[in-house]
Amino acid sequence: NAGVMQNPRHLVRRRGQEARLRCSPMKGHSHVYWYRQLPEEGLKFMVYLQKENIIDESGMPKERFSAEFPKEGPSILRIQQVVRGDSAAYFCASSPPRTIQETQYFGPGTRLLVL
Amino acid sequence: ELKVEQNPLFLSMQEGKNYTIYCNYSTTSDRLYWYRQDPGKSLESLFVLLSNGAVKQEGRLMASLDTKARLSTLHITAAVHDLSATYFCAVDSGKNAGGTSYGKLTFGQGTILTVHP
Repeated sequence: NAGVMQNPRHLVRRRGQEARLRCSPMKGHSHVYWYRQLPEEGLKFMVYLQKENIIDESGMPKERFSAEFPKEGPSILRIQQVVRGDSAAYFCASSPPRTIQETQYFGPGTRLLVL
Repeated sequence: ELKVEQNPLFLSMQEGKNYTIYCNYSTTSDRLYWYRQDPGKSLESLFVLLSNGAVKQEGRLMASLDTKARLSTLHITAAVHDLSATYFCAVDSGKNAGGTSYGKLTFGQGTILTVHP
């Protein structure tokens, strides 16, 4: 069973460009979470999605950021008109439907650098 | 707003010694997690603690949870170099309409552990 997959692993963008980050959850997992980690800091929750639904986007910046988890295909985190402050590691995590003892499994992350 | 605070933030240990990392959180939660992160890598799940008094052990690491004190500890026994990493605690702070947690994790700042000879 493959783990959580993220691509690309590294992404370089110039200010004003768009960044698209992809996340394929583990097989059988229907819950996807996105977190952002700034240099030398802990992870900050951004958004929680289930298939075709955004459940909690309280950690998403109000502008330029959006997320989706379509019926088919990976979850996408999209950042429009990137700025230098968007440079960070973006981690996706997945979990199965809520059961006792489960945890979130994290992907390898996408490291975004905005020039 | 939920706050999760770890201490110490930096820990330099000698091999063979014991030490404890503390994780305090500000509101009630029924789930607490410990993760390990190596430099430039993703997070590896260590423990999930679900109830007051829960204690779990894996190798040289032992985690406990006191929900009344809103405190979790990660105890390291007889440290070895391979344990050098950053350790995060995280609290599940999201609840749906039915009161069930749904995995919105609030992380502590992380404790950078270095084990040296």
